[in-house]
Amino acid sequence: DQQVKQNSPSLSVQEGRISILNCDYTNSMFDYFLWYKKYPAEGPTFLISISSIKDKNEDGRFTVFLNKSAKHLSLHIVPSQPGDSAVYFCAARGFGNEKLTFGTGTRLTIIP
Amino acid sequence: EPEVTQTPSHQVTQMGQEVILRCVPISNHLYFYWYRQILGQKVEFLVSFYNNEISEKSEIFDDQFSVERPDGSNFTLKIRSTKLEDSAMYFCASSAGQGLYNSPLHFGNGTRLTVT
Repeated sequence: DQQVKQNSPSLSVQEGRISILNCDYTNSMFDYFLWYKKYPAEGPTFLISISSIKDKNEDGRFTVFLNKSAKHLSLHIVPSQPGDSAVYFCAARGFGNEKLTFGTGTRLTIIP
Repeated sequence: EPEVTQTPSHQVTQMGQEVILRCVPISNHLYFYWYRQILGQKVEFLVSFYNNEISEKSEIFDDQFSVERPDGSNFTLKIRSTKLEDSAMYFCASSAGQGLYNSPLHFGNGTRLTVT
């Protein structure tokens, strides 16, 4: 089941710079997208979401962009901080469905 | 900030034994979920629960699995006869609602189940 893909398993970014994490999906029925951050030995922590009627949602240092025609979303973190080092998962859900489909995650490392 | 709590944090059991994983969702949430993550793999949906019944389940959630909300605060996942391949991190989650409200899921810290 590769409906949600995160093609970069890891990413390293200098502190203070922008981190850009990418996610692609194949199911055109997905209409709600989320980003989660996960530290070791903890559960996923919700960061930000976007519904398919929007193309951008911003919350503080985090911005999610959705390109429906390309079936692509991205998470921008600016400025990146050492505490942002974690695994980031994108997830998607179809309208009326309960199930979240997760990507495989991208490990972000912020270099001080 | 309210949070989802799960107990125990780590459960070791022998193959064929029954296990019950426990969760206390966020108190005003209406939807409850179990997900699991086998080491090195994706987080996978198991089941969703609303209004005291299963609303959706995956093909993983076979007859060996059951869920219950016995007392209005706890939400449990039971595996009747554990198999080696059930070894995984099990995450409970809850949300205030879905559909038009598109509310996010909030996850607990998980129970690591090891079947030997």
